[in-house]
Amino acid sequence: NAGVMQNPRHLVRRRGQEARLRCSPMKGHSHVYWYRQLPEEGLKFMVYLQKENIIDESGMPKERFSAEFPKEGPSILRIQQVVRGDSAAYFCASSRGSGGHGYTFGSGTRLTVV
Amino acid sequence: GIQVEQSPPDLILQEGANSTLRCNFSDSVNNLQWFHQNPWGQLINLFYIPSGTKQNGRLSATTVATERYSLLYISSSQTTDSGVYFCAGRDSGGSEKLVFGKGTKLTVNP
Repeated sequence: NAGVMQNPRHLVRRRGQEARLRCSPMKGHSHVYWYRQLPEEGLKFMVYLQKENIIDESGMPKERFSAEFPKEGPSILRIQQVVRGDSAAYFCASSRGSGGHGYTFGSGTRLTVV
Repeated sequence: GIQVEQSPPDLILQEGANSTLRCNFSDSVNNLQWFHQNPWGQLINLFYIPSGTKQNGRLSATTVATERYSLLYISSSQTTDSGVYFCAGRDSGGSEKLVFGKGTKLTVNP
């Protein structure tokens, strides 16, 4: 029973390029969450999705960031026109449902913008 | 929204020592979890513990929800316990987002 799978593990992008981060939830989990961790800090919530729906995007920057969780395939966090400040670790978590279930995190994608 | 505070921010131990990490949260929390982020950055789920006490090997955790705190106990610490320990809680107001503390950085020396 594979855990939450994120890829790539490391991603290097030049300023202005696009970054695409992928997350496949645990089997049987239909809820996906994205978090960002800046160096030396805790994780900050970005967005919560269920299949084909964005439920809560209150933590997403207003520009350049988008997320999706299509009916088939992994969830994608997309960052357009990356800047140096986007360099961080991006973690995906999944859960079976809402309302009191534990969350399982993936290993993260470390984005470096040069 | 809720706030989560962890103490101490840093902790240095000799191998074999015991330690207690504390997590205080500002309001009612439905989900309380403890995570370990190892030196390679991986985030490992330790305990899902909205209330009560759980044990897993040398680690145990207790949450007293009515008093808004949780404790993580590490006994007979090993160098592999090094890393950052985070607690995180979900706002009982219905939001699904986890709010993380800033973590306790643990260094276990041989």
